[in-house]
Amino acid sequence: DGGITQSPKYLFRKEGQNVTLSCEQNLNHDAMYWYRQDPGQGLRLIYYSQIVNDFQKGDIAEGYSVSREKKESFPLTVTSAQKNPTAFYLCASRIHGKDTQYFGPGTRLTVL
Amino acid sequence: DQQVKQNSPSLSVQEGRISILNCDYTNSMFDYFLWYKKYPAEGPTFLISISSIKDKNEDGRFTVFLNKSAKHLSLHIVPSQPGDSAVYFCAASYQTGANNLFFGTGTRLTVIP
Repeated sequence: DGGITQSPKYLFRKEGQNVTLSCEQNLNHDAMYWYRQDPGQGLRLIYYSQIVNDFQKGDIAEGYSVSREKKESFPLTVTSAQKNPTAFYLCASRIHGKDTQYFGPGTRLTVL
Repeated sequence: DQQVKQNSPSLSVQEGRISILNCDYTNSMFDYFLWYKKYPAEGPTFLISISSIKDKNEDGRFTVFLNKSAKHLSLHIVPSQPGDSAVYFCAASYQTGANNLFFGTGTRLTVIP
């Protein structure tokens, strides 16, 4: 069964701690993305990667970091520098040249 | 600055009737548009898309209409079914395959049995 998996589904962290959200895809997609969704708002792009070992900042990259060591994996680290990290985080992937991004089930992060 | 807007946060429709979800955009450089459907606690699922060279695209019960002069697109669902109850997002990009999709804030559709 091909798809995108994100873990964990729910995540709690204390203020001041870094936390890493996992995103794995077995669709053999080239590009991967991280979005953030807040209540009443659309999805906003945090980071994206078109190929292994390369990634670009999106609209709201401050306080986040990513890596792309493998084609299948694109983990997102929410650092203590992110002022308002509580949100629903969505990972997506896409084949180069195609338009559709496919989304994972999301991780809800709550900072206590 | 929200470049893609969905001004109706919610919509209720009787089963079997037509659902019309609207989306407006401000950036005339957008030339590709998509609709996604999202259930609670799940990721968005792609529904249908349209290129700016077309004014209509149809896929089964779903039709998207694009009015470039008005910078407006709409999604029609006919007939509406209870399983269509979800949040619908429209998204836009500058070109097909572009990395950045600009999303609207979503419209929650409730189809009443």
